[in-house]
Amino acid sequence: IAGITQAPTSQILAAGRRMTLRCTQDMRHNAMYWYRQDLGLGLRLIHYSNTAGTTGKGEVPDGYSVSRANTDDFPLTLASAVPSQTSVYFCASTSEMNTGELFFGEGSRLTVL
Amino acid sequence: QQQVKQSPQSLIVQKGGISIINCAYENTAFDYFPWYQQFPGKGPALLIAIRPDVSEKKEGRFTISFNKSAKQFSLHIMDSQPGDSATYFCAARAGGSYIPTFGRGTSLIVHP
Repeated sequence: IAGITQAPTSQILAAGRRMTLRCTQDMRHNAMYWYRQDLGLGLRLIHYSNTAGTTGKGEVPDGYSVSRANTDDFPLTLASAVPSQTSVYFCASTSEMNTGELFFGEGSRLTVL
Repeated sequence: QQQVKQSPQSLIVQKGGISIINCAYENTAFDYFPWYQQFPGKGPALLIAIRPDVSEKKEGRFTISFNKSAKQFSLHIMDSQPGDSATYFCAARAGGSYIPTFGRGTSLIVHP
């Protein structure tokens, strides 16, 4: 089934540990995004990539890094996790052919203790 | 500063009633206004969207009303059903940008 695959689905992590959330899409979309969702704060953009090889910072980029080596993959890395990074993370993608519709993955629930 | 303000934060409606969620924006460069629906444990999915050249768009029981002069748009769910219980996000995107700005979401509960 075409779409976005995120892994892991959930993870409990000790503070200070490094963690990479994986995101893969098979729709050949050029643009990809990472959002975090927190109760009462909605969806906040962490980082984005308009095309392979380029990335940009969103609203809440601190403590996170991304890479976009190819069209399909857009991993999000927490270099040294902190409890405030406990959240649900969503990867999304779109292309100019979709008139702006974002396609979201199922999310990765991360708990940092 | 919130570029898209959404209200209410939560909404409880009886089955068969009308659910109304409102959003307001400041950036006049926005030219695409989608609504996303998110069920528990799932990612958001596009529900319905509108462009500012029309004042209303209807798809089944879901209607977007758009007021360009007031910079407001709203989602109306007619004959609300328990299956409509979800979180709804409005969003806005400027022309030439891939990046939408989301409202903070509305948690809708429809009681049987």
